[in-house]
Amino acid sequence: QQQVKQSPQSLIVQKGGISIINCAYENTAFDYFPWYQQFPGKGPALLIAIRPDVSEKKEGRFTISFNKSAKQFSLHIMDSQPGDSATYFCAANPDSWGKLQFGAGTQVVVTP
Amino acid sequence: EAQVTQNPRYLITVTGKKLTVTCSQNMNHEYMSWYRQDPGLGLRQIYYSMNVEVTDKGDVPEGYKVSRKEKRNFPLILESPSPNQTSLYFCASHAGVRADTQYFGPGTRLTVL
Repeated sequence: QQQVKQSPQSLIVQKGGISIINCAYENTAFDYFPWYQQFPGKGPALLIAIRPDVSEKKEGRFTISFNKSAKQFSLHIMDSQPGDSATYFCAANPDSWGKLQFGAGTQVVVTP
Repeated sequence: EAQVTQNPRYLITVTGKKLTVTCSQNMNHEYMSWYRQDPGLGLRQIYYSMNVEVTDKGDVPEGYKVSRKEKRNFPLILESPSPNQTSLYFCASHAGVRADTQYFGPGTRLTVL
């Protein structure tokens, strides 16, 4: 079963709007939470990542919010643009050599 | 340019016909992985390698083999493909013990008839 649960499965947002994707996990050994962005026909690429010692990380229009007690984290895309249309994967990595555990992915479509 | 390359990009084959998908990275990374991507399931790790001649199973290894004879190459072998292995496959590499930043190849879309 998936160790990282991601929602929603798909999302349509108007240009200029806010896209919000949520992820939840159970394994408290996870201590690194990256988000990957995948455009059609391409491999995923690291977008932004956070460690549990901070509650928020912002890079440009992309922000990760992290709630350690609830074991949840989310990606906010502010002022969404058509170029942000992609599939977004959250992931988690345990505190040792380990395998990234990916969520199921969210397809984001930003309409003009 | 730092990159992970995969070949072929597209492959249609029939049940039972052995195939190999090649993967190569030019970043001198020690760690490499293979993933499959299926709708609603995200990316699931098939195998990973920590160095030359060192490999281990990921979450979904059944029906796959790998080898790591050179640091830069990590081929994925399907000795007897079945239709349930129809999927999008990605090779990835990263430096260091932690899989913090993985660099993915462009993907191989495999269809097994």
